[in-house]
Amino acid sequence: GIQVEQSPPDLILQEGANSTLRCNFSDSVNNLQWFHQNPWGQLINLFYIPSGTKQNGRLSATTVATERYSLLYISSSQTTDSGVYFCAVASRAQKLVFGQGTRLTINP
Amino acid sequence: DAGVIQSPRHEVTEMGQEVTLRCKPISGHNSLFWYRQTMMRGLELLIYFNNNVPIDDSGMPEDRFSAKMPNASFSTLKIQPSEPRDSAVYFCASNSGSGASFTQYFGPGTRLTVL
Repeated sequence: GIQVEQSPPDLILQEGANSTLRCNFSDSVNNLQWFHQNPWGQLINLFYIPSGTKQNGRLSATTVATERYSLLYISSSQTTDSGVYFCAVASRAQKLVFGQGTRLTINP
Repeated sequence: DAGVIQSPRHEVTEMGQEVTLRCKPISGHNSLFWYRQTMMRGLELLIYFNNNVPIDDSGMPEDRFSAKMPNASFSTLKIQPSEPRDSAVYFCASNSGSGASFTQYFGPGTRLTVL
């Protein structure tokens, strides 16, 4: 099956810093989503982005499907950005495979 | 909208007991997903439904697990008999199942502990 690799596994930053999270996948996909799991366990969808670039406030994402990777950018980090960020992909429409996540800690 | 609703939020049971987890998807969504999250295996898709019909159950770990969706607004995941290794957080998610609406919306999860 499709493999998803996220890097880095852990990232610790000061408030106000910028960060880039990477997601590599092993096969062509028609569905790619980024999620944030907050410290209380809630999973929030950030982007549905099988290709191209999207922006939402301080967050943006880019997927280069031909090169099988996606990037999530977080600018001017806030403590509320802390948590685990997951990339999930599917080569068959809805059957998402999740990466192991990047744990982001933003210190005040 | 109330979002995806799951119950119970926490369940503690003893090995061998039957466990039933419940999910109400977002109104109007026609695809529903059950996931399991553990430290060892991360987030795994167990089964998903489209228009109340199971489409892919290849992630269901074994016959002790079963899922149903009797109507568009309700689904259950049942474990019988439960074992300690079933301890995990179980998430339900839903979406509209088409085009840009492949975006999945997750419920708060049910934390299951099997003693």
